[in-house]
Amino acid sequence: DQQVKQNSPSLSVQEGRISILNCDYTNSMFDYFLWYKKYPAEGPTFLISISSIKDKNEDGRFTVFLNKSAKHLSLHIVPSQPGDSAVYFCAASAKKGAQKLVFGQGTRLTINP
Amino acid sequence: DTAVSQTPKYLVTQMGNDKSIKCEQNLGHDTMYWYKQDSKKFLKIMFSYNNKELIINETVPNRFSPKSPDKAHLNLHINSLELGDSAVYFCASSHQGTDEAFFGQGTRLTVV
Repeated sequence: DQQVKQNSPSLSVQEGRISILNCDYTNSMFDYFLWYKKYPAEGPTFLISISSIKDKNEDGRFTVFLNKSAKHLSLHIVPSQPGDSAVYFCAASAKKGAQKLVFGQGTRLTINP
Repeated sequence: DTAVSQTPKYLVTQMGNDKSIKCEQNLGHDTMYWYKQDSKKFLKIMFSYNNKELIINETVPNRFSPKSPDKAHLNLHINSLELGDSAVYFCASSHQGTDEAFFGQGTRLTVV
């Protein structure tokens, strides 16, 4: 019973274009969401987060959108750069600061020059 | 000066053996975790400790025993290893009350 799902295992985008990574969740108790980025042979690194009281959070080239009614969030990267090639994990928490993250299975993003 | 370091990076061992993975963080965080990434790539929390006290234990078999000698260290000991224990194990840490965790580089455990 996977409560957080990333249905696209991989995504290929041309450099300079927008990358959109999607994430769906089933547990309506989740109210804090995070994105992590992972390079090969490294641990995940925190990228950006959003609380359920917001529908958008922006940090430089990265924007996370949350649609609570659809239980869906997305990460937009614009413009995409070759260094963005990595696996991106969506994670959710039932309460901000609960320190119990539920992760999706990741989407491998490849940025083509 | 690695923030969260875990050793070893790779571990190959036979079924039935006992092994340990060590984790140390130099970030001054209060909370440390162990996550398991299985063959389907899902990262699942196993344990969390806050100031050496066990906070979360996610129905992990009792063959897995975390040990926190101080708040900068959280080691994972696994008894009687089974084939299904093969996975990548990640240690992580965070400030108390925050979800933004810092992860180690992972330990790939292969049980043969």
